[in-house]
Amino acid sequence: DSGVTQTPKHLITATGQRVTLRCSPRSGDLSVYWYQQSLDQGLQFLIQYYNGEERAKGNILERFSAQQFPDLHSELNLSSLELGDSALYFCASGTANYGYTFGSGTRLTVV
Amino acid sequence: ELKVEQNPLFLSMQEGKNYTIYCNYSTTSDRLYWYRQDPGKSLESLFVLLSNGAVKQEGRLMASLDTKARLSTLHITAAVHDLSATYFCAVVNNAGNMLTFGGGTRLMVKP
Repeated sequence: DSGVTQTPKHLITATGQRVTLRCSPRSGDLSVYWYQQSLDQGLQFLIQYYNGEERAKGNILERFSAQQFPDLHSELNLSSLELGDSALYFCASGTANYGYTFGSGTRLTVV
Repeated sequence: ELKVEQNPLFLSMQEGKNYTIYCNYSTTSDRLYWYRQDPGKSLESLFVLLSNGAVKQEGRLMASLDTKARLSTLHITAAVHDLSATYFCAVVNNAGNMLTFGGGTRLMVKP
């Protein structure tokens, strides 16, 4: 157990639907980072939150959004899902000087 | 834009042999990370390299960082089957909030 908790582990949903992925960072970490891993794009940074505030944005689609709550857990919302959104979604917590720990991921399948 | 390239992308080797995976990156950074990923699983942190000349070893794996050459290496000594996995290097941006990953090296160690 890495200390970063992600739920659910698997999601199967239809095109056009909306899903929410949840992440709790390691105890003591204030940041949450979201990454997408797909066969064609590899591992890509989506977005970072630090203590409730958005701090950095990567290649995140407008259909995707995230937030971090006062208890520091984060949710990644994916809407108007397309087949191409099927991927593994990871969250991570940590810092540059101590390294980043990844959760077990959520495998999203859009059918 | 920070770019990270790994080579080789695929490596098949015999048990007992040595080999090196290379990770080149495009802009100045003095912090680099190596991860291991088993199929369908999370990213396991292997090494955190924080300065020029950093060298870290764990078991049969040794990682080094040359920030002037923008190059990191992951050296495998006397490979064993359990090392079969995909290995990723990642570089953090100057703000410390976004990892850019290489494409990964899929390692297969044959008995």
